[in-house]
Amino acid sequence: DQQVKQNSPSLSVQEGRISILNCDYTNSMFDYFLWYKKYPAEGPTFLISISSIKDKNEDGRFTVFLNKSAKHLSLHIVPSQPGDSAVYFCAASAYYGGSQGNLIFGKGTKLSVKP
Amino acid sequence: GAGVSQSPRYKVAKRGQDVALRCDPISGHVSLFWYQQALGQGPEFLTYFQNEAQLDKSGLPSDRFFAERPEGSVSTLKIQRTQQEDSAVYLCASSLEYFRVGELFFGEGSRLTVL
Repeated sequence: DQQVKQNSPSLSVQEGRISILNCDYTNSMFDYFLWYKKYPAEGPTFLISISSIKDKNEDGRFTVFLNKSAKHLSLHIVPSQPGDSAVYFCAASAYYGGSQGNLIFGKGTKLSVKP
Repeated sequence: GAGVSQSPRYKVAKRGQDVALRCDPISGHVSLFWYQQALGQGPEFLTYFQNEAQLDKSGLPSDRFFAERPEGSVSTLKIQRTQQEDSAVYLCASSLEYFRVGELFFGEGSRLTVL
């Protein structure tokens, strides 16, 4: 049973427009969420994160929104650039009080930004 | 080096062979994770070390998988009697975080193909 779901395998956006990538989760214990970006033949690289005590975190062109009641988060990229074309993974973690736990990843969404 | 280094980058093994995958984390990072990423999937947790202690190995798919980090730095993931379903990219990640998982720094991965 997938605890972190990215239901859109792919997304195509025109350069300069907004890209919105979505992620849903089922485990109510998750309290920290991250987005990773992955280019072919490279490892994932950290993009942005959000704690469950917030509902929005912004870093330059990237903003993550968290809706805890809906167990939903989204990543907004504005404006989108061709270099943003990559696979984006949503990940979540829970704090177990002394045990670090691990990151649970979604399957990823492949973003293509067309010039 | 500055990042997480993994070797070999590519490994082809015949079914039944043993393989060893190496990870050299970022210097000073106490936490080290191994993930398995099958084609079209997100990374899936295998095991986690804090220094030399293996604190969680719940993700290892079978007793053919074994990981160690004897001196708290370099780690080796060993797969015995490889099977075709072991074909995947094996990602190593390290983290500064001690008590809860935060940003993970990933290596480029070792792509294992079992024939």
